Amino acid sequence: AQSVTQPDIHITVSEGASLELRCNYSYGATPYLFWYVQSPGQGLQLLLKYFSGDTLVQGIKGFEAEFKRSQSSFNLRKPSVHWSDAAEYFCAVGYGQNFVFGPGTRLSVLP
Amino acid sequence: DTEVTQTPKHLVMGMTNKKSLKCEQHMGHRAMYWYKQKAKKPPELMFVYSYEKLSINESVPSRFSPECPNSSLLNLHLHALQPEDSALYLCASSPRVAQETQYFGPGTRLLVL
Repeated sequence: AQSVTQPDIHITVSEGASLELRCNYSYGATPYLFWYVQSPGQGLQLLLKYFSGDTLVQGIKGFEAEFKRSQSSFNLRKPSVHWSDAAEYFCAVGYGQNFVFGPGTRLSVLP
Repeated sequence: DTEVTQTPKHLVMGMTNKKSLKCEQHMGHRAMYWYKQKAKKPPELMFVYSYEKLSINESVPSRFSPECPNSSLLNLHLHALQPEDSALYLCASSPRVAQETQYFGPGTRLLVL
């Protein structure tokens, strides 16, 4: 079955530490890949996207993500986390007319 | 301008009320979407409009009735809702319905009493 997984439900990091959020997908072909962030009670903000080309993509707020076809993964990274990065992060996949979100990873940041 | 606006921000309604949610975008996008999001869950797709025509209805109960009056506006009419319909309702738009980036509004927080 086609799916998007985010193995970590909740991650806690200290401010200034590095961050990696995992995303795996299961589809026949390479779909379009996205990372969105959602602060409590807010809408979703696009962080970055991958359609084709360079497998390392840069996004807003210092985030980057790497597409690895062999692992069907699209992990999100940030070298130094800020307290304002605390939020819910959703990986999403677009294929055909469909757009599917992963279950999300909640990020907490310790001062 | 990559802004999608939604009104109202908050809505409280009884189970016998009729209300409407409104979404607007001025990016020239021809696809618009309604999502429902419960707490601590990802958004769930409800409806997709493509070129002002309903393209996808994800088996949503008839008490939710979408409407796309023109390419910039999307409404969601609510009638006889149930308490379990309480959620954040998100609108999104994209250039076309085809894997493209979706831009989200801030949502309407709905409480059904």
